[in-house]
Amino acid sequence: DAEITQSPRHKITETGRQVTLACHQTWNHNNMFWYRQDLGHGLRLIHYSYGVQDTNKGEVSDGYSVSRSNTEDLPLTLESAASSQTSVYFCASSSGDRRQETQYFGPGTRLLVL
Amino acid sequence: RKEVEQDPGPFNVPEGATVAFNCTYSNSASQSFFWYRQDCRKEPKLLMSVYSSGNEDGRFTAQLNRASQYISLLIRDSKLSDSATYLCVVNGQAGGTSYGKLTFGQGTILTVHP
Repeated sequence: DAEITQSPRHKITETGRQVTLACHQTWNHNNMFWYRQDLGHGLRLIHYSYGVQDTNKGEVSDGYSVSRSNTEDLPLTLESAASSQTSVYFCASSSGDRRQETQYFGPGTRLLVL
Repeated sequence: RKEVEQDPGPFNVPEGATVAFNCTYSNSASQSFFWYRQDCRKEPKLLMSVYSSGNEDGRFTAQLNRASQYISLLIRDSKLSDSATYLCVVNGQAGGTSYGKLTFGQGTILTVHP
């Protein structure tokens, strides 16, 4: 079955370190998204991509970057981790077909920055 | 003003009760509307899309009022398994720069007790 996976599921890192969170989907979806979820803020969009070599900033993109070198993967990099980036990170994908806008979410990565 | 606003609750109801959640959105050009469900420490999952004519899926009924920019979800005959956080979600205008990007409300917490 097609799916979307994230790794690692849990990560503890130190302030200032570079961290990369992986997202991999096997639906062949064009659109991929990264969100963070924090108490009091709900889900907020970090970066998104509508296809290979396309990346766009979301509402909370500072300190994060993404790259899209193939259809299946959209890794999220924290350039220099900060304690404010402690959060739960969700990756999602959608087909890009205007009639099929449902986004499917990965299981999430819980990141703790000490 | 937040783009999507929900009453965070929590709603505590007995089994068999009927409960209604409301949501308002600020962008009148929004095209698509959804309710997602999120269980504790899990990823959000699509519960149902919301159509202008209103739609029903078993015990769940969703309504959309474009004039008032208001979305609702009605759950009849509540089950213990309905306990979760319900997220009101809005998609951007087709053809616009926000198309395909979802904006999430903070969620409404529902607890169904025996």
